[in-house]
Amino acid sequence: GAVVSQHPSWVICKSGTSVKIECRSLDFQATTMFWYRQFPKQSLMLMATSNEGSKATYEQGVEKDKFLINHASLTLSTLTVTSAHPEDSSFYICSARSWGEETQYFGPGTRLLVL
Amino acid sequence: DAKTTQPPSMDCAEGRAANLPCNHSTISGNEYVYWYRQIHSQGPQYIIHGLKNNETNEMASLIITEDRKSSTLILPHATLRDTAVYYCIVRGGADGLTFGKGTHLIIQP
Repeated sequence: GAVVSQHPSWVICKSGTSVKIECRSLDFQATTMFWYRQFPKQSLMLMATSNEGSKATYEQGVEKDKFLINHASLTLSTLTVTSAHPEDSSFYICSARSWGEETQYFGPGTRLLVL
Repeated sequence: DAKTTQPPSMDCAEGRAANLPCNHSTISGNEYVYWYRQIHSQGPQYIIHGLKNNETNEMASLIITEDRKSSTLILPHATLRDTAVYYCIVRGGADGLTFGKGTHLIIQP
């Protein structure tokens, strides 16, 4: 149980384009999903928290207009990197937890390369 | 959430028990100790968590000292597949996790 998937697993795009990453909880209802970013040889950094049906809460320094998060259902959250630039190249990882449960379960991650 | 301190790296022979320490001297009474691991180029994997009592599951055991200021994650029979970065995280709520640098555990054949 507690399986989280992400799609795509990797994506290469041109600078200036937008990229959408999906995060799905496969066997539980995720009332809260989290988005993290990890640069090479560094730890995961929390970007934002999203509760189903509510606007996402962004961490300090994360541009909400650049990283659009939608959590419209209990099993799906999306992260859209708008007008991507090479410095946005990173490993994006989501996690999810269900209501009343504190343990977060992580997806496999999406590797983004912006040329 | 309380800060944690872990050794940057550890080696362990295959088949032996791997004991990973974590210090969390500023932990509060309602904060849990969580352990995750991240195998190269994958998302973190939940291992175990505990509050006061020692915990065991199919993956590992968690030993928490009586004063709760430190803990040890034990992988009873380490395999090469256990090579990963192990993160000890202390948290008291349902917020996002704060990852430190973790311990890079290398299992030697």
